Amino acid sequence: GAGVSQTPSNKVTEKGKYVELRCDPISGHTALYWYRQSLGQGPEFLIYFQGTGAADDSGLPNDRFFAVRPEGSVSTLKIQRTERGDSAVYLCASSSGNSPLHFGNGTRLTVT
Amino acid sequence: DQQVKQNSPSLSVQEGRISILNCDYTNSMFDYFLWYKKYPAEGPTFLISISSIKDKNEDGRFTVFLNKSAKHLSLHIVPSQPGDSAVYFCAASEGSGNTGKLIFGQGTTLQVKP
Repeated sequence: GAGVSQTPSNKVTEKGKYVELRCDPISGHTALYWYRQSLGQGPEFLIYFQGTGAADDSGLPNDRFFAVRPEGSVSTLKIQRTERGDSAVYLCASSSGNSPLHFGNGTRLTVT
Repeated sequence: DQQVKQNSPSLSVQEGRISILNCDYTNSMFDYFLWYKKYPAEGPTFLISISSIKDKNEDGRFTVFLNKSAKHLSLHIVPSQPGDSAVYFCAASEGSGNTGKLIFGQGTTLQVKP
């Protein structure tokens, strides 16, 4: 596809459940980022992949959050034992070299 | 501790006039600054950037100004158009070879009235 694709666009889950959010970056982009945007705030960095490896995961809030990118393309953000405070829009972005980030439309996660 | 601040949550201007969006930062290590624009239900889209070695960068109707001594940058849009109505985010990077790890401000909602 032409842009970064994120699925699902919306996800409603119950507190304590496990969720997976998927990101399909722009073809050929080696760098992939996950950000989280809470209501009324700007996006906050979570994790950065260069190829298959997580080069910087300093933004992950705790060990309930984990992300993978096994083949250097699609990435999955996994959240265990979800909490109401995890409700936010999760944004994925990709880039090539030092080009600006291209963001997807995000997944709106609601934990009830 | 908010390292990038956009103190104006909203701004309203008349079509054809200038829009000025402001951003302040606290970290002197930031060396690359960007503005992103966001429409509802869409992801942010890149608008314009500036390196810390410059004080101005212009792209069509959009100009970004950087005042390093004041740790302040601004985005000027002239002339403003109704299609410019969106949320604008200022963002900064420490570089270190990774210009994608950004710290964003809270955003300013711009409304351009016809």
